[in-house]
Amino acid sequence: AQSVAQPEDQVNVAEGNPLTVKCTYSVSGNPYLFWYVQYPNRGLQFLLKYITGDNLVKGSYGFEAEFNKSQTSFHLKKPSALVSDSALYFCAVRDMGGGSYIPTFGRGTSLIVHP
Amino acid sequence: ETGVTQTPRHLVMGMTNKKSLKCEQHLGHNAMYWYKQSAKKPLELMFVYNFKEQTENNSVPSRFSPECPNSSHLFLHLHTLQPEDSALYLCASSQDGTDTQYFGPGTRLTVL
Repeated sequence: AQSVAQPEDQVNVAEGNPLTVKCTYSVSGNPYLFWYVQYPNRGLQFLLKYITGDNLVKGSYGFEAEFNKSQTSFHLKKPSALVSDSALYFCAVRDMGGGSYIPTFGRGTSLIVHP
Repeated sequence: ETGVTQTPRHLVMGMTNKKSLKCEQHLGHNAMYWYKQSAKKPLELMFVYNFKEQTENNSVPSRFSPECPNSSHLFLHLHTLQPEDSALYLCASSQDGTDTQYFGPGTRLTVL
């Protein structure tokens, strides 16, 4: 079975400050991990993914995420937040040992960047 | 744009109406998905089609009926819906094995 948790419904950060959006996962095998972003009135857009290799993954719009196997986490980060980063962020996981290629999504975290 | 289009973008219907949502992908993918997105709830997978064959039906009520005539098009036929079916319905596609999904903008459905 695979599951993912986003413990924060909302994250508030001031523009120019670093941001972190948290994600933890549970799988029986090794994980594929994803981050997606959803802007108002839009569908989800792929940001980045971890499959194997370097634990630090770089993605679109200056975002990066760090895979931590011991803590089963895949937190999304950005060194300096922009107001335009305000959106809904979804973490997703797929169990590489599972038979399905369909990921499980979290509930989403609303990121609000204040000017 | 992601290469996945959905029409209509907004739909208001009564409980006795019949309507259809349309999704088209221009990415050459062979898997297509319907998701339901409700406020403060996880994204709910409804149906999956792979090479036009339905591979997942996530216990969706029969008032939702999917159709996949080819690998590029996906429909969701709606009839006798309930107000709790009001939500954003998202279509997505992927190339089997690569996992990354590409989403359309969604159809905002309101059932009166």
